[in-house]
Amino acid sequence: GQQVMQIPQYQHVQEGEDFTTYCNSSTTLSNIQWYKQRPGGHPVFLIQLVKSGEVKKQKRLTFQFGEAKKNSSLHITATQTTDVGTYFCEGWNNDMRFGAGTRLTVKP
Amino acid sequence: NAGVTQTPKFQVLKTGQSMTLQCAQDMNHEYMSWYRQDPGMGLRLIHYSVGAGITDQGEVPNGYNVSRSTTEDFPLRLLSAAPSQTSVYFCASRRTGRNEKLFFGSGTQLSVL
Repeated sequence: GQQVMQIPQYQHVQEGEDFTTYCNSSTTLSNIQWYKQRPGGHPVFLIQLVKSGEVKKQKRLTFQFGEAKKNSSLHITATQTTDVGTYFCEGWNNDMRFGAGTRLTVKP
Repeated sequence: NAGVTQTPKFQVLKTGQSMTLQCAQDMNHEYMSWYRQDPGMGLRLIHYSVGAGITDQGEVPNGYNVSRSTTEDFPLRLLSAAPSQTSVYFCASRRTGRNEKLFFGSGTQLSVL
């Protein structure tokens, strides 16, 4: 079945450094969603990518969908302490699967 | 709108006990689902429903039952709790089965002793 692999599992950065998490699928995805879960909270939707090669930005966050629609990335420029949490991707191809998440910690 | 309401927030069970986790949404969403979240495992789908009267199994359905008698409610039943079911459980809904974002409840921290 469809697998969505997400790396890295953990990332610890100094405030102001950049951060990137990657999701890779074994099959072509129809779309991919990204979510953020703050510590002790629940996942909250960030964005959806649908088109091949699509790039979307939300302030310091940049989301990309690969040309083959098998991979995606979330890049945060100049991290802040408010970026702390776990970032999940969710890929759709006949069924929906979440990546295992990347837990981001930020040292002030 | 309250969104997705999930109760209880915390629960401790003894092995063999049964219980029901409640989930309700007021957004008229067709699709509802239950996930469990374990460290390093991400969110794993337990059961889902694409509409009232329709349910189906996800990745990890064993030990859990669901029903969907109304559009709003999607309870998750643990038949005979086991320590392996210690986890954080999230209910989620979306308008349809695909191409829509998920709305999550606040979660239930379940411990089985």
